Amino acid sequence: GAVVSQHPSRVICKSGTSVKIECRSLDFQATTMFWYRQFPKQSLMLMATSNEGSKATYEQGVEKDKFLINHASLTLSTLTVTSAHPEDSSFYICSANKEKRGRKNIQYFGAGTRLSVL
Amino acid sequence: GQSLEQPSEVTAVEGAIVQINCTYQTSGFYGLSWYQQHDGGAPTFLSYNALDGLEETGRFSSFLSRSDSYGYLLLQELQMKDSASYFCAVTQGSNTGKLIFGQGTTLQVKP
Repeated sequence: GAVVSQHPSRVICKSGTSVKIECRSLDFQATTMFWYRQFPKQSLMLMATSNEGSKATYEQGVEKDKFLINHASLTLSTLTVTSAHPEDSSFYICSANKEKRGRKNIQYFGAGTRLSVL
Repeated sequence: GQSLEQPSEVTAVEGAIVQINCTYQTSGFYGLSWYQQHDGGAPTFLSYNALDGLEETGRFSSFLSRSDSYGYLLLQELQMKDSASYFCAVTQGSNTGKLIFGQGTTLQVKP
């Protein structure tokens, strides 16, 4: 079954509105979650690292005031795309690490959110 | 800079074996992972190497040579459902750190 839950799976919004995307770790605690962005036929680009109880760490070139990240609990991180514009249309995916068979670095991904800004 | 190089496309027939190579140049390295992604879907974890050598998981195996900054994913007994994009990714920062992805290899399996 799913290890990381992401909601919504698809959202269509008008230009200028804000959209919130939720990422939940199921049956495990995630002090760190990651947010990626993916354009069609391209790779995943890391946007930011979400840290529980502290500020997110943004990658170079990612506007922190545009993409607000909140990690208020050990199982939930949210990404809010503020004042969305058509160029923000993309596939947004979150991930979290869950230890498996003694291996710490296995990242499990949510199902992704396809954002379309009209 | 940081870069991961992998072939953009690979084509093979059902039942065959295919190898997807990945070379990397990154600041900081804790391991090399492989992910599969079908169109419109989320990446799915396949394999992870932190040390040199071969890791085998069913039909999939992954190899790493840290001295050569090189790894590969080996897919055996190819099936039509294996048609997907395959990404190599380097772990940075710590053992539970962020992933830097390659550009992906599109594998097309033909009957």
